[in-house]
Amino acid sequence: AQSVTQLDSQVPVFEEAPVELRCNYSSSVSVYLFWYVQYPNQGLQLLLKYLSGSTLVKGINGFEAEFNKSQTSFHLRKPSVHISDTAEYFCAVTNRDDKIIFGKGTRLHILP
Amino acid sequence: NAGVTQTPKFRVLKTGQSMTLLCAQDMNHEYMYWYRQDPGMGLRLIHYSVGEGTTAKGEVPDGYNVSRLKKQNFLLGLESAAPSQTSVYFCASSGDRDRPFGELFFGEGSRLTVL
Repeated sequence: AQSVTQLDSQVPVFEEAPVELRCNYSSSVSVYLFWYVQYPNQGLQLLLKYLSGSTLVKGINGFEAEFNKSQTSFHLRKPSVHISDTAEYFCAVTNRDDKIIFGKGTRLHILP
Repeated sequence: NAGVTQTPKFRVLKTGQSMTLLCAQDMNHEYMYWYRQDPGMGLRLIHYSVGEGTTAKGEVPDGYNVSRLKKQNFLLGLESAAPSQTSVYFCASSGDRDRPFGELFFGEGSRLTVL
């Protein structure tokens, strides 16, 4: 069965600084990977996804992620964060058996 | 276009009571999911459905039942609520059989408290 580990429960970062949110997965077969964002008191929305092809994936709001098969990682990055990026970010994985499994989430705190 | 609608949005139950959460989607999606979100636990999959009339167990199915009698609706039932089922429940739907692993569309959540 697949699983997802988000290595940081909270990440504080200064406004306009770069940020990386880490995600590692485990699966015995090929996977699809996703990052979702949840703003306070809202549902989740998709930031980006990796299904196949280029390992560098660009998403909305200036975020990007890189799929690294050898390290089983799918880290999320943004070169310069804004106060509006304050949210909880979830990494998710599926090995194509229809289940989509989420990590425990990383809270991004933007410091002024 | 409403997307994914969950009802009710808030509910307080006493231990042992039963209730049903309704999820409705108007995007003609094949796949529907029920997750629960608890602090520090992320989202955990309860049950899911890959089409009308089908259901399958997720990571934490115990204490819950589901039904998908119509393609647009996915019901989550609690037969005998327990305090451990206090949570925020999210329904999600996605694509079709040609593109099953695209974007998940989420509802706004249903906050359930069991006393």
